[in-house]
Amino acid sequence: DVKVTQSSRYLVKRTGEKVFLECVQDMDHENMFWYRQDPGLGLRLIYFSYDVKMKEKGDIPEGYSVSREKKERFSLILESASTNQTSMYLCASSFGAGGSEQYFGPGTRLTVT
Amino acid sequence: GENVEQHPSTLSVQEGDSAVIKCTYSDSASNYFPWYKQELGKGPQLIIDIRSNVGEKKDQRIAVTLNKTAKHFSLHITETQPEDSAVYFCAASRGGSTLGRLYFGRGTQLTVWP
Repeated sequence: DVKVTQSSRYLVKRTGEKVFLECVQDMDHENMFWYRQDPGLGLRLIYFSYDVKMKEKGDIPEGYSVSREKKERFSLILESASTNQTSMYLCASSFGAGGSEQYFGPGTRLTVT
Repeated sequence: GENVEQHPSTLSVQEGDSAVIKCTYSDSASNYFPWYKQELGKGPQLIIDIRSNVGEKKDQRIAVTLNKTAKHFSLHITETQPEDSAVYFCAASRGGSTLGRLYFGRGTQLTVWP
């Protein structure tokens, strides 16, 4: 079974802190994604990567950056956390081109105080 | 870019009844339409998908229909059970694109009452 793991289930950070969210997949997938989930807004794509060291902006990249140094690992970075970044963050991975199943991690609930 | 709209946002049904969730999309080049189910405390999981070369697909109690002309697709769940209670997301993408992203609807909270 494909497994996507996220470093933390719950995280509490203070405003202005630098925050790292880590995601690891074990199926050698090319594509990896970071989403943000908020009530009533569904899944919004922050960034995605289709290869090592490659990244593409999604729909809401402002305030975030990403890093993909190894194929299995995709990190989401909040350079200076703000309260409006309090949310559920979901990582996903998929194999190949569009039209492939995305496998999601369990999510990280981030609270910024 | 693609815009996917999903309705209703909440849906309550009695156990045994059917549930229907509808989505529309804007990009006529989209040709892959998956549905994801998210249970409480978990990430979304693919439950069924359809490609634009077919009009309907079934898997036991769930089915998806696609109308390419009208640019809408629907999820049908028959004989609903309490364990069907979850958030359901529809999505669309251009299959074959090297970037592989999905465009999601905003989700439907389905509650099945025993």
